[in-house]
Amino acid sequence: KNEVEQSPQNLTAQEGEFITINCSYSVGISALHWLQQHPGGGIVSLFMLSSGKKKHGRLIATINIQEKHSSLHITASHPRDSAVYICAASNFGNEKLTFGTGTRLTIIP
Amino acid sequence: ETGVTQTPRHLVMGMTNKKSLKCEQHLGHNAMYWYKQSAKKPLELMFVYSLEERVENNSVPSRFSPECPNSSHLFLHLHTLQPEDSALYLCASSQVVLPSGDGTDTQYFGPGTRLTVL
Repeated sequence: KNEVEQSPQNLTAQEGEFITINCSYSVGISALHWLQQHPGGGIVSLFMLSSGKKKHGRLIATINIQEKHSSLHITASHPRDSAVYICAASNFGNEKLTFGTGTRLTIIP
Repeated sequence: ETGVTQTPRHLVMGMTNKKSLKCEQHLGHNAMYWYKQSAKKPLELMFVYSLEERVENNSVPSRFSPECPNSSHLFLHLHTLQPEDSALYLCASSQVVLPSGDGTDTQYFGPGTRLTVL
């Protein structure tokens, strides 16, 4: 069993829909990362958060430390949001990241 | 453009070849990483260098040999690879907080090298 679990594995939605991707982790963490990987492999770091909520444009990330759960939300989704979204947990005092398997998001025009 | 570059972007090699992957970061970070991404598997951490010292290698086979000559450059030397080593190899860098070393700042990834072993 992976220490970081994501759901759903695949998500297809219409343009404009509100998107939620979930991440649960079983390890102790100092921070939770959300990453975006576009076709071709390039990875972009979206958020790093250790508590509460962060917002950047149409993207919102939340984390509940007690429940060991984080969510990534996309408002007013657009076809250019189509990508694989990866959740990763980092451990206190350790540079190691533990990755989830990713959620493949497809936004249909 | 994340400030982390990798060359080559694509590499095809035979099992008897020797090749090297190169990563360079222009962000002034003090930690660099090699990851392997195989189809339908989570990213796997292969090597971590912090302040140019290797801190973790996760029992990677010896046919993969990392080198970090300075804080901006990271190499992955490859020899006698197997077809199952075909994957996307990603380099990343971050700034590790000192002196306590607690936590990990955001990692910035390069575009990756798509490796095919025939």
